[in-house]
Amino acid sequence: DQQVKQNSPSLSVQEGRISILNCDYTNSMFDYFLWYKKYPAEGPTFLISISSIKDKNEDGRFTVFLNKSAKHLSLHIVPSQPGDSAVYFCAAVANAGGTSYGKLTFGQGTILTVHP
Amino acid sequence: AAGVIQSPRHLIKEKRETATLKCYPIPRHDTVYWYQQGPGQDPQFLISFYEKMQSDKGSIPDRFSAQQFSDYHSELNMSSLELGDSALYFCASSRGRPTGELFFGEGSRLTVL
Repeated sequence: DQQVKQNSPSLSVQEGRISILNCDYTNSMFDYFLWYKKYPAEGPTFLISISSIKDKNEDGRFTVFLNKSAKHLSLHIVPSQPGDSAVYFCAAVANAGGTSYGKLTFGQGTILTVHP
Repeated sequence: AAGVIQSPRHLIKEKRETATLKCYPIPRHDTVYWYQQGPGQDPQFLISFYEKMQSDKGSIPDRFSAQQFSDYHSELNMSSLELGDSALYFCASSRGRPTGELFFGEGSRLTVL
């Protein structure tokens, strides 16, 4: 039962353009969402997060949008750079602020390739 | 800056053997988490410790056990290894209880033959 779904296994984008990575979830108890980036032979690295009380969070070139009614979030990267090429994982936390703060439920990941 | 250190990075074992993975968190981090990522799969939460006490438990098999020591490092012990235990095991750490923003190590790759 995949509670966090990233339906696009891969995405290819030209340098300078926008990258949009999508994520859907099914568990209504999720109230905090994160994006992690992973390079080969490295562990996931935290990128950006959003609480369910917000619908947008921005950090430099990265913006995460949350649509609670649709149970959907997306990560926008503008402008995309070749160094952004990595696997991007969407993750969710249920009952954030309680005891399960580190219990992340991950999506399957999307491989982003940014071409020069 | 110091990161999460995991050892060994690679481990090969036979079925029914035992394996131990170690994790050294970032200095002053008091919380440790273990995740398992099977081939082509997303990381799955196994277990976490806060101040040397188990704080949460996920899909960890009964054959696995873990603990956090007084110096905050953690060990994941896996017994009666099965082929399906072959995976990348990530340890992550945090200071206190931040929501979800974990610092991951590079992982320990376990291969069971």
